[in-house]
Order: sequence, then structure tokens, then C-alpha cells
Amino acid sequence: AQTVTQSQPEMSVQEAETVTLSCTYDTSESDYYLFWYKQPPSRQMILVIRQEAYKQQNATENRFSVNFQKAAKSFSLKISDSQLGDAAMYFCAYRSAAAGTASKLTFGTGTRLQVTL
Amino acid sequence: NAGVTQTPKFQVLKTGQSMTLQCAQDMNHEYMSWYRQDPGMGLRLIHYSVGAGITDQGEVPNGYNVSRSTTEDFPLRLLSAAPSQTSVYFCASSYFGLVRGGEKGEAFFGQGTRLTVV
Repeated sequence: AQTVTQSQPEMSVQEAETVTLSCTYDTSESDYYLFWYKQPPSRQMILVIRQEAYKQQNATENRFSVNFQKAAKSFSLKISDSQLGDAAMYFCAYRSAAAGTASKLTFGTGTRLQVTL
Repeated sequence: NAGVTQTPKFQVLKTGQSMTLQCAQDMNHEYMSWYRQDPGMGLRLIHYSVGAGITDQGEVPNGYNVSRSTTEDFPLRLLSAAPSQTSVYFCASSYFGLVRGGEKGEAFFGQGTRLTVV
């Protein structure tokens, strides 16, 4: 079974600064997908960024980028130019690429990000 | 396009009561699933479905039933509520493939149901 570990329960960053959230995972599969989801106080789960394991290039979405290290099974999220609206709980999630598994996400325990002025 | 709609948003039950959490999606997604979110534990998979008429258990299925008679709907039933089922419940849907239109193969979530069992 796959596991996802987020070792930072809480992080804090000053507005306009950069912060990196860590995620490691364990799997015996070679083809899979990794996601970062943001959960603001509204409770809504919002996709931040996605990475396909077969792609060597790190995914980027505006101020959000990942550092995907497949051999090390590491998938960190970097938030640049942090904004007050980035304050939320962030979840790292794993999904197998095997058929019939799209509904089966494995989540980490989350990192609560605080953004200060 | 409403996405994934969950009802109710909040619910208080007494121990032993039964209820159904409703979930509907209008994106024609094959896959649907239910998760529960508890403090310090992230989201854990309860049940999932790969299409109408097909369901299977996830990580924490005990005390919950599901059925999928249509592509759009995937209700979650609590047969006899227990305080241990106090949690926030999320329904999610996703496309079979990786990319379709603006989607990126990710799961789309409803807004969650906060359930308290007293």
C-alpha cells in the first residue's frame, strides 16, 4: 500500500517571501500521479498543482512549483511571493496510474500554512 | 456546471440514528468516492465507485454503505451512527483518463459535510 508523509504540521511565511512544503511518499509502482491540494477555511479542496511520475520536468503553476525527486520519492511544493490568500491547509496526495484507481487518492496529514504581514 | 454537490453541509445526529449523505456530479465522471477528514489524519477513503453499479471498499468502510445506480449520484449511508463517525465527509469525482478539456486527471471535491454524532 502507498503512504504519503507530510512531516511539517505547521509552517509560517512572511508575505512576499518563499516557502517550501515537504512531502515524501512510498510506493512500489513506477507510474503514478502526485497532487497538492489547498484547503482554505471554507473547507473546499482546491487543486494547486499536479505532477506525472513519468515526466522529469517539474510542474509549475504561476507562483507554485514542485521539486519532484522520483528516486528519493520526494515531492515538495514551493510557493513564491506568498500572499495572505495562500494561508490554508495543504495536502499532498498520491494516485496510482493503474486502471480503476482514479478515485483512490492517498493523502498526507497536511501542513497548515500561516502567512504573516 | 455545478461540479460536485454535497448535501447537507452540516448535520447533527444522535447515536443510533441513520442518515444518507447525498452527492451528485454533473461532469459525467466515471469515478466517484467518499472520504472522511479527521484532525491530524488527512483524508481517508471510505468507499469508491468506478462506474454505475460498481462499488468497492476503501481504507475505512465499516459503518458505511454506498450504492451507485446512476453515473451522477453516489450517496453514502450511515446505518447506525456512532460518535466515532463524527467527521467532515467529502465526496469526489474524477475522469477515467488523464486529460480532458481543462481537466488534469485530478479529483473534484464537493464542499464537505460536517457531521456530529452525539
